[in-house]
Amino acid sequence: DTGVSQDPRHKITKRGQNVTFRCDPISEHNRLYWYRQTLGQGPEFLTYFQNEAQLEKSRLLSDRFSAERPKGSFSTLEIQRTEQGDSAMYLCASSPWDSTNYGYTFGSGTRLTVV
Amino acid sequence: AQTVTQSQPEMSVQEAETVTLSCTYDTSESNYYLFWYKQPPSRQMILVIRQEAYKQQNATENRFSVNFQKAAKSFSLKISDSQLGDTAMYFCAFMKHGGKLIFGQGTELSVKP
Repeated sequence: DTGVSQDPRHKITKRGQNVTFRCDPISEHNRLYWYRQTLGQGPEFLTYFQNEAQLEKSRLLSDRFSAERPKGSFSTLEIQRTEQGDSAMYLCASSPWDSTNYGYTFGSGTRLTVV
Repeated sequence: AQTVTQSQPEMSVQEAETVTLSCTYDTSESNYYLFWYKQPPSRQMILVIRQEAYKQQNATENRFSVNFQKAAKSFSLKISDSQLGDTAMYFCAFMKHGGKLIFGQGTELSVKP
């Protein structure tokens, strides 16, 4: 297991298009998190899963955003009708159930540019 | 709601010197954890050090140590013998028990030769 993988690394899309990102967590980790990071800022929480259950969604996550983790393994984050304000780095992280002892392991992120 | 504040957007230090990054937080929780993460340029975020709020002893990891002042809600990171590879964004983060990580705005640290 080589850590948390995110695909694609970069995505350029036109305003109004839909985009989907994928995250493959560390296989033993049952928790998976999505964060959004804009330039020069700290990551902002979007949503998280424990196994296949989505346990929390941020108010930042408008109805254009949806995330799934269908079999408790990989996750996808879809943004519909993208807007320029969606341009950001989207980070995925995973952790064991006891995230307080181990912290999160982060992926390298997907950088989205909406033109 | 919990908040994390890092008041130093940028800092610089000479190689081999010591630098301290500041972090304050606000919470009404009694059981929580604090973290420092490092994000090198164009690379993924990695955990530097972690502190449990119920432990009075400050955490240390090699050249990295923290000064945890629970009453003041302060959690600073000290980097000793700074190395060029320490150049990165550093994020302070808070997690209540069973909760999620909440990050500060970050401090961009430059280590100069």
